[in-house]
Amino acid sequence: DVKVTQSSRYLVKRTGEKVFLECVQDMDHENMFWYRQDPGLGLRLIYFSYDVKMKEKGDIPEGYSVSREKKERFSLILESASTNQTSMYLCASSLNPGLAGVNEQYFGPGTRLTVT
Amino acid sequence: DAKTTQPPSMDCAEGRAANLPCNHSTISGNEYVYWYRQIHSQGPQYIIHGLKNNETNEMASLIITEDRKSSTLILPHATLRDTAVYYCIVRLFGDKIIFGKGTRLHILP
Repeated sequence: DVKVTQSSRYLVKRTGEKVFLECVQDMDHENMFWYRQDPGLGLRLIYFSYDVKMKEKGDIPEGYSVSREKKERFSLILESASTNQTSMYLCASSLNPGLAGVNEQYFGPGTRLTVT
Repeated sequence: DAKTTQPPSMDCAEGRAANLPCNHSTISGNEYVYWYRQIHSQGPQYIIHGLKNNETNEMASLIITEDRKSSTLILPHATLRDTAVYYCIVRLFGDKIIFGKGTRLHILP
C-alpha cells in the first residue's frame, strides 16, 4: 500500500515563527502536492512538484515556499507564520500520468496547524 | 474554480444504495472523472475514476452519461463507515486536481 506520512498531526506555532511541515511518501512517486483545507472553502492547492528540485505554484502560494531535495520528501515552509495560516494541511503524491493521463493522488493524514 | 457541481448534502439509509450525482457540463474529451471521499479527520481517499464507460471496483460503481456531462457514484450497500464528504473531480491538464466543496453524505442507521 502507498503510504504518505506527515511529520505531525497537530502543531501550534506563534505568529512570526518559521514553520516546516514535512511529507514523505514511500512509493517512488514523481509528483507531490501540498493543499490546505478550510471550512467552506474545500481543498486548495498551495504548491506541487513534478520532480526533485522542481516546484510549481498552485492556486494560493502566497506566504508559503516548498523544498524538494529528495524524491520521497516534500516540505512546506511558512517563512513567517500568520494567524490566517491556521488550517489543515494535506500532502499528497502520485505517479506521473504519462500518455494515459490517468493517475490518482494518495493523501497523508493531514497536519492541523494553529498559529496564535 | 471547480468544474463540477454537486449537492451540498445527502442522506441515505444504512444498507441501501447511495447514489451521488455530479454535473460536469464543460468536461472536455480527454478529461477523466474522479471520485474521492474524505472521512472526518482523515486525508481524502481515492474511490474510482472513468472516462466514458461505466466503471466498477470493490468500493463503488461510476455511471457516466453518454454525453459525459454528468455522472453518478453508487455505493451499493451503504454502511455507517461511508459517512464522509464525497468529491467529484474533473482532471485538468497536467496533474492539478481541483477539489470543489463536495457532497456530505450522511448514512442513517
